[in-house]
Amino acid sequence: DVKVTQSSRYLVKRTGEKVFLECVQDMDHENMFWYRQDPGLGLRLIYFSYDVKMKEKGDIPEGYSVSREKKERFSLILESASTNQTSMYLCASRIAINTEAFFGQGTRLTVV
Amino acid sequence: AQTVTQSQPEMSVQEAETVTLSCTYDTSESNYYLFWYKQPPSRQMILVIRQEAYKQQNATENRFSVNFQKAAKSFSLKISDSQLGDTAMYFCAFMKRPNSGYALNFGKGTSLLVTP
Repeated sequence: DVKVTQSSRYLVKRTGEKVFLECVQDMDHENMFWYRQDPGLGLRLIYFSYDVKMKEKGDIPEGYSVSREKKERFSLILESASTNQTSMYLCASRIAINTEAFFGQGTRLTVV
Repeated sequence: AQTVTQSQPEMSVQEAETVTLSCTYDTSESNYYLFWYKQPPSRQMILVIRQEAYKQQNATENRFSVNFQKAAKSFSLKISDSQLGDTAMYFCAFMKRPNSGYALNFGKGTSLLVTP
């Protein structure tokens, strides 16, 4: 089975901290994605990556950056966490554009 | 802009009954992919069913089926013989255009409660 693993299920950080959310997939998938999920807003795309060292902005990239140094790992970085970044963050990966995307279990981030 | 609309924020159905979740989308593309994902309380997003726009036949996966109306840009999910384990958030998703990496564009979700 494909496994997408997010490093933390729950995280509490202080305003202004630099926060790293890690995502690892074990199936040699090319494409990886970071979404943010908020009640009533569904999932919104933050960043995506086609391949190693490649990244593209999604719909809501402001306040975030990403890193993909190895194919299996896609990191989301909050340079200076703010309370409006309190949310559920979901990572996903897939082999190719017309295939199923597999999701991690999400990281619920609270910024205080 | 390509958008996905789920007009039913919440729905409820009794066990063993049938329920239909609605989804409409907006696109100028002729070939694309549509998906329904389920997110139970465990938060794990699971693919329920997918539909390729060039296929006229509606997709079916066991108790789950879709009614795909391409001209109307409608993609509803029918759950037959509902089970308690079907209680979850259901998201309709559309695969976006190349300049967005063919990422999935999600609707806001429908919360489905299956009652005994």
